[in-house]
Amino acid sequence: GAVVSQHPSWVICKSGTSVKIECRSLDFQATTMFWYRQFPKQSLMLMATSNEGSKATYEQGVEKDKFLINHASLTLSTLTVTSAHPEDSSFYICSAEGDGEAFFGQGTRLTVV
Amino acid sequence: GEDVEQSLFLSVREGDSSVINCTYTDSSSTYLYWYKQEPGAGLQLLTYIFSNMDMKQDQRLTVLLNKKDKHLSLRIADTQTGDSAIYFCAEIYGGSQGNLIFGKGTKLSVKP
Repeated sequence: GAVVSQHPSWVICKSGTSVKIECRSLDFQATTMFWYRQFPKQSLMLMATSNEGSKATYEQGVEKDKFLINHASLTLSTLTVTSAHPEDSSFYICSAEGDGEAFFGQGTRLTVV
Repeated sequence: GEDVEQSLFLSVREGDSSVINCTYTDSSSTYLYWYKQEPGAGLQLLTYIFSNMDMKQDQRLTVLLNKKDKHLSLRIADTQTGDSAIYFCAEIYGGSQGNLIFGKGTKLSVKP
């Protein structure tokens, strides 16, 4: 079946630095990719929806200048957490949709120290 | 590793009940979730159940949890065409980390 690869699976960074997370659809073209954030033991929060070649649509309360999303091709979307702070520590997961189906990446555990 | 499994497709007639099944592996899961995804839209949390409950009912939705068999089901009563979507089962696992693990999703098709 279709696979979505998310990288890295975990990352530790220093406060003030930026971190890039990649989400790739390996064997299908993803017209839409979603980025979610999950706080420990809570449900998912949709951060943004991105369509290939256009600007991402951010959910209310999500800072677009802090969470930069790029969907440059039909198989790759990236989320960059800029000037990371400890409160950005969370589990980030992407989902890719194509041909009416949706698949999840493995998630990225970000810890900002 | 931890795994959540669900059947990939389900087709029902409008007005019938739909039952979507899910099995999971982490017996220490605290919460189990059902999400709905319509084409082009993000996940929508439908309902969740705490692991010490057997059943939860919310309007047309009934969630049944069999902890012994690690089996979760979602029943949609009086299924409508608007219920056509992909339904994802998810469990929280991993102790204090509490990461979500998703099933592959069940595509529900409702025929008029």
